[in-house]
Amino acid sequence: GDSVTQTEGQVALSEEDFLTIHCNYSASGYPALFWYVQYPGEGPQFLFRASRDKEKGSSRGFEATYDKGTTSFHLRKASVQESDSAVYYCALGNTNTGKLTFGDGTVLTVKP
Amino acid sequence: AQTIHQWPVAEIKAVGSPLSLGCTIKGKSSPNLYWYWQATGGTLQQLFYSITVGQVESVVQLNLSASRPKDDQFILSTEKLLLSHSGFYLCAWSLTGGEQYFGPGTRLTVL
Repeated sequence: GDSVTQTEGQVALSEEDFLTIHCNYSASGYPALFWYVQYPGEGPQFLFRASRDKEKGSSRGFEATYDKGTTSFHLRKASVQESDSAVYYCALGNTNTGKLTFGDGTVLTVKP
Repeated sequence: AQTIHQWPVAEIKAVGSPLSLGCTIKGKSSPNLYWYWQATGGTLQQLFYSITVGQVESVVQLNLSASRPKDDQFILSTEKLLLSHSGFYLCAWSLTGGEQYFGPGTRLTVL
């Protein structure tokens, strides 16, 4: 079945550091790929999506590029802020059924 | 603008007691609706989805059921709670299988 793997369970950075969170997927065809962010006690917020090979999604300074060759959709940000501290989820979607499969999440902590 | 409301905000219930959680979407006509469960510190697991009134598909069996009595309403329920039902329940909506937008969630504690 479809699956998503996020390599980093936790990431600790200082403000203005560069962020990379790795996301790899396993699915047939061209699934839609998503990034979500979740703050404590809240529901996840949609960041952005990509649906085709080499398509780049971006929002709030975060970006990721759909790479079918490496089955990846890594999240990057050039300069993180303390307010970026949250849990980040990569997700794989079947746009026909609406089924979303989430990775285990990455806890990002940014120190001032 | 669309809004998504979940009720109650939080519940503390006894094992074996019934449960009903609700979700309403305003500002969108005929959305796809979803229920998710999230264990404390865990990832999100999709439980049910519905593309139209009266139709609900189960994704994962957790001794829960869901119903969609109105276009803008989605209900999650069980007659008998288990300890394992504790967690954070989230409702979400989307248009035609696109990105999903989540509600604020209901925190359930089963004792």
